[in-house]
Amino acid sequence: GAVVSQHPSRVICKSGTSVKIECRSLDFQATTMFWYRQFPKQSLMLMATSNEGSKATYEQGVEKDKFLINHASLTLSTLTVTSAHPEDSSFYICSASFPGTETQYFGPGTRLLVL
Amino acid sequence: QKEVEQDPGPLSVPEGAIVSLNCTYSNSAFQYFMWYRQYSRKGPELLMYTYSSGNKEDGRFTAQVDKSSKYISLFIRDSQPSDSATYLCAMRDSTDSWGKLQFGAGTQVVVTP
Repeated sequence: GAVVSQHPSRVICKSGTSVKIECRSLDFQATTMFWYRQFPKQSLMLMATSNEGSKATYEQGVEKDKFLINHASLTLSTLTVTSAHPEDSSFYICSASFPGTETQYFGPGTRLLVL
Repeated sequence: QKEVEQDPGPLSVPEGAIVSLNCTYSNSAFQYFMWYRQYSRKGPELLMYTYSSGNKEDGRFTAQVDKSSKYISLFIRDSQPSDSATYLCAMRDSTDSWGKLQFGAGTQVVVTP
């Protein structure tokens, strides 16, 4: 149990385009989902906390207009990188809180390359 | 000073040896402790979850929490080359309503055949 999927796993886009990444909890309902960014050989950096049916809470320094998060249902959260630029190239990972526990289960990640 | 300190390694051990990993922390409100394993270019995988102080064993993995010393450990017995990965400790503040985790830097482990 506790499977989280992400789609796409990898995306290459041109500078200025927008990219949407989906995060789904496949076998449980997640009230809270999280979006992280990870640079090579570094730990996870929390970008935002997403609660179903409400606006996301962004960490300090994360541009909310740049990284749009929508958590429309208990099993789906999306991250849209708007007007992507090369500096947005990174590994984006989502996670979902497992009900009744204090743990998070992570998706496999999405590798974004902006040319 | 970071809330969670973890030696990034790399830690190289021969196959069959015990891998010993640890993290220290400064926030006494941390009550929930996790260890994740992350292979290159993959998402982290939950290995162990413990609450407050004590030991927990699951197969070849043993997690220990010493809240008085603000110190947690993960031991991997009979290590295999497939255990080569980055191991992240994570902790949750019991007062944080969002359930955010604080992560260590991750320790890269290399198990050599």
